[in-house]
Amino acid sequence: QKEVEQDPGPLSVPEGAIVSLNCTYSNSAFQYFMWYRQYSRKGPELLMYTYSSGNKEDGRFTAQVDKSSKYISLFIRDSQPSDSATYLCAMSASGGSYIPTFGRGTSLIVHP
Amino acid sequence: NAGVTQTPKFRILKIGQSMTLQCTQDMNHNYMYWYRQDPGMGLKLIYYSVGAGITDKGEVPNGYNVSRSTTEDFPLRLELAAPSQTSVYFCASRRDRGVFEGYFGPGTRLTVT
Repeated sequence: QKEVEQDPGPLSVPEGAIVSLNCTYSNSAFQYFMWYRQYSRKGPELLMYTYSSGNKEDGRFTAQVDKSSKYISLFIRDSQPSDSATYLCAMSASGGSYIPTFGRGTSLIVHP
Repeated sequence: NAGVTQTPKFRILKIGQSMTLQCTQDMNHNYMYWYRQDPGMGLKLIYYSVGAGITDKGEVPNGYNVSRSTTEDFPLRLELAAPSQTSVYFCASRRDRGVFEGYFGPGTRLTVT
């Protein structure tokens, strides 16, 4: 079992839809949970992060962590064509080098 | 601030050739990283550095070498290129430990034939 599992998609939705992106993990030591957005032929950029558990909201984006289920989610409300990108989850433990483990990324396509 | 810059953007190598991928950051970050990304896969850590003169192996270091003589530069050396090293290479830097607020460069697309 991989430490971080993420469905690569692609996930295709119409403009305005609510998008749910998910990752599961096996390492109970993970405390930092991050979502990166990567446009085609660009480097990833940090979108949101949460520490430990709970929800975090930023505009149209909501990140959720369920540590009991080892499951994290990113919700995108009122999705736009400009949201079309690959979304990578990443997680790291506290202490040590804080180097994250990345998921494979989910390709999202929002069509007008 | 230019952020993290990488050169070259593209390169085609023949099997057995060597090359250096350049990475420079102007944010005075101590932590720097080299990742490779294969199609449909996540980022795999090759090497990282926590400061000038200090480097360590990541998940997939074989076939690569690094050095860190200054805070700004973190070059990645490929010796005896192999087709398995065909990938997109990203350099990243971060300011602090904790959340990986990594600043990524635009990537170098390398093909080994």
